[in-house]
Parts: sequence; C-alpha cells; structure tokens
Amino acid sequence: GAVVSQHPSRVICKSGTSVKIECRSLDFQATTMFWYRQFPKQSLMLMATSNEGSKATYEQGVEKDKFLINHASLTLSTLTVTSAHPEDSSFYICSARDPGGTLNTEAFFGQGTRLTVV
Amino acid sequence: KQEVTQIPAALSVPEGENLVLNCSFTDSAIYNLQWFRQDPGKGLTSLLLIQSSQREQTSGRLNASLDKSSGRSTLYIAASQPGDSATYLCSYSRNSGNTPLVFGKGTRLSVIA
Repeated sequence: GAVVSQHPSRVICKSGTSVKIECRSLDFQATTMFWYRQFPKQSLMLMATSNEGSKATYEQGVEKDKFLINHASLTLSTLTVTSAHPEDSSFYICSARDPGGTLNTEAFFGQGTRLTVV
Repeated sequence: KQEVTQIPAALSVPEGENLVLNCSFTDSAIYNLQWFRQDPGKGLTSLLLIQSSQREQTSGRLNASLDKSSGRSTLYIAASQPGDSATYLCSYSRNSGNTPLVFGKGTRLSVIA
C-alpha cells in the first residue's frame, strides 16, 4: 500500500516553545492531508484538513493560530504547535489517500508523533 | 452527530480463540468503512476496507462485514494469536472523494498465550 511518513515520532519540548511535525507521502501525491489528535484511550479526533496551495480547514474548537498547517507541496504537510503548553501533550497523526492508485479510497496513516510538553 | 461505537472496549482471550469485535455507526451516508490496528504508541495499520456496496472483506484470518442498513460492522479474527494483541479501530468516511475518517474509541484486545 501507499506510504505516509511522519517525523518526529517523539518530541519533548518546554512550555512556550514551538514544535513542527512533518507528514510526507512517499510514493504518491496528496492534494489533501488530514491531521488528527488522539488523547489516551480516546478516539482519533480530526483537527484540520490540509490543502495543497491553500489554507487549511480547521474543525470547530481547534485554534488555527496555535496549530499552524502548511501544505506547500503535493508530498509534504507540516503541523506546527506554537507556544506549546502541557495540555497540548498528545498523539498527533496525519493521514492521506492516494488519489491515483487502485486503492484510491483507502486512507493511509503516518506513524504518529507523541508530543510531551513539560 | 456522527458517532462510532465499538463494543467491547477491552477484551482478553486465550490464544486460539475466534473472536468478534463490534462496531456501530449512526451515519447512514457512509461511503466506506475501514478497520485499523494500532499498537501502543504507534500509528495505524489498515486491515480491511469495505465499500458501502459490499457486505464483507477477508484478509487471512480477518473477516470484516458491513450491514449499512442497520449501521453495523463486525471484525472477525480467527485462531487468535498473541501477536494480534493491539487496539482495533473502526472508522468510516462520508460521501466519496477525499474526506476524513470518523473513528470509534477502539477495542483493546489482549490474546494470552
């Protein structure tokens, strides 16, 4: 299947600093990528839809100025958590579909990023 | 409101047992349903994808069914093994095209050797 790579897998940062998470589609081009957040023992919750060449679409309750999304190319979307606080500690994971593949309705996920803000 | 409910929340079985994980959803406009496996602290591995027009999909020891009219899906695991221990997530997408997934909270499975 298609491969989505996410980096870093783990990051620990101090409160008030910013953290950038990268999501890459390795063997296909993705005009749209999705960013989810998962708290312990909870569902994955959609944060935002990242659109190549245009502004991201944020879900209700997600601060766009805090979670900056950039989708500058067809294979890379980045999520920057700005001025991180301990309550931002969570598991962040990205997803994309391969629109040109035979499995064009199957969603593929990155490995996820465990963010801990201390 | 789009909701996905997975029952049970946790399950512990001895090795070799056949088991069924249940998923129900309230949205009637699903386009497809996808089951994932998630190991602790890891990303999601796609297991099976069922289109709304299909009733089941099989891959090895896994079989997933879909009853769109009743809003239910099941994941059947045959001859369970300790390596099957993980959290199993049920999700669906609405409409066609590039839409996000709606997830359940998952079923945490432990297979005891």
